[in-house]
Amino acid sequence: EPEVTQTPSHQVTQMGQEVILRCVPISNHLYFYWYRQILGQKVEFLVSFYNNEISEKSEIFDDQFSVERPDGSNFTLKIRSTKLEDSAMYFCASSRVQGAGELFFGEGSRLTVL
Amino acid sequence: KQEVTQIPAALSVPEGENLVLNCSFTDSAIYNLQWFRQDPGKGLTSLLLIQSSQREQTSGRLNASLDKSSGRSTLYIAASQPGDSATYLCAVGRGGYQKVTFGTGTKLQVIP
Repeated sequence: EPEVTQTPSHQVTQMGQEVILRCVPISNHLYFYWYRQILGQKVEFLVSFYNNEISEKSEIFDDQFSVERPDGSNFTLKIRSTKLEDSAMYFCASSRVQGAGELFFGEGSRLTVL
Repeated sequence: KQEVTQIPAALSVPEGENLVLNCSFTDSAIYNLQWFRQDPGKGLTSLLLIQSSQREQTSGRLNASLDKSSGRSTLYIAASQPGDSATYLCAVGRGGYQKVTFGTGTKLQVIP
């Protein structure tokens, strides 16, 4: 069964360092998303991406964050200068269709900022 | 702004019991509602997706209902098993680019 894969599963970094989280969405999906979950809190929307551009982003997704789809299969989330409060589980998701489509999530990348 | 609440926050039941998890949302102008399962430290596994025009969806021992006008959805689990122990999340979609709003989750423990 097709699945969304994410790497790394866990990354530990020092505050101020750049981090790139990688995702391979399901191959025939067109819509891609990043969500995050701070420990003990709700899953929160960060950004949606379609046709090689951001279609929607939340207030969390500030200038420190960026996304790209560099090679037609990977979908990455970059955090330019990590802060302690960026520590969270980051989930990539994809869907085949807009709006009515079922969302499929990856296993997540746990980011720990020290 | 959509607010999604799940009650109860935690639930412990003996194996074999039928149970209902509740999800309520404040804005009834939704496009769909999706139920997920999350195991500790793991990703989100999609269980059921209900479109706004539907009243319910079934998959195996799971049945999800949707009452858009009252802002409620329920997830019914029949004959619960220890393997059902997990956190269950509902997520409400408003269409467009499929931004969904997640609920607070219900942590279920099924005791053998």
